[in-house]
Amino acid sequence: GENVEQHPSTLSVQEGDSAVIKCTYSDSASNYFPWYKQELGKRPQLIIDIRSNVGEKKDQRIAVTLNKTAKHFSLHITETQPEDSAVYFCAAVNTGTASKLTFGTGTRLQVTL
Amino acid sequence: KAGVTQTPRYLIKTRGQQVTLSCSPISGHRSVSWYQQTPGQGLQFLFEYFSETQRNKGNFPGRFSGRQFSNSRSEMNVSTLELGDSALYLCASSLEASFDEQFFGPGTRLTVL
Repeated sequence: GENVEQHPSTLSVQEGDSAVIKCTYSDSASNYFPWYKQELGKRPQLIIDIRSNVGEKKDQRIAVTLNKTAKHFSLHITETQPEDSAVYFCAAVNTGTASKLTFGTGTRLQVTL
Repeated sequence: KAGVTQTPRYLIKTRGQQVTLSCSPISGHRSVSWYQQTPGQGLQFLFEYFSETQRNKGNFPGRFSGRQFSNSRSEMNVSTLELGDSALYLCASSLEASFDEQFFGPGTRLTVL
């Protein structure tokens, strides 16, 4: 089955700096890669996703890039703000087989003032 | 549209007991997935139900089981509780498959003493 590794497990940046979280996946058939954000004490929520026919997707201050050859994808947050502090989870799935969504172990991002 | 609800929100049990958790998905959502969340382990997939059938299953022992009713509501059961079962149990609903946007419930915090 699919295996997703996520790095780093914790990340501390100063407000205004950029943050990058990286994930690798094992199943070359995976074609959908969502990112979920979980603020402290709250439930995870989808923030951005990318499909394998696209190399990059951007939504305001967040962007995701995908390298299918290397089987890795990354979340980029620019101009970080305190409200970006949360745990971020990447995930991967092969939508053609109705497989389960496999999550990474999460990255705790702390944005300091 | 009402969000995903889970009951109970908190549970304290002792080793050897069994527990049943309930999840009510968003109206119209047919897929319900269950996850175990522990610090450092991210979101561990338990199982996914669709149209009252278990479609995917994670790597958990047979003590963990679930079911889905005709109205898409789902329950999970853990028998013969162990200390290591202490965790936050999240359910998530999506329209048709786990790779559709997942909407998470608030979770049930299970403590096993």
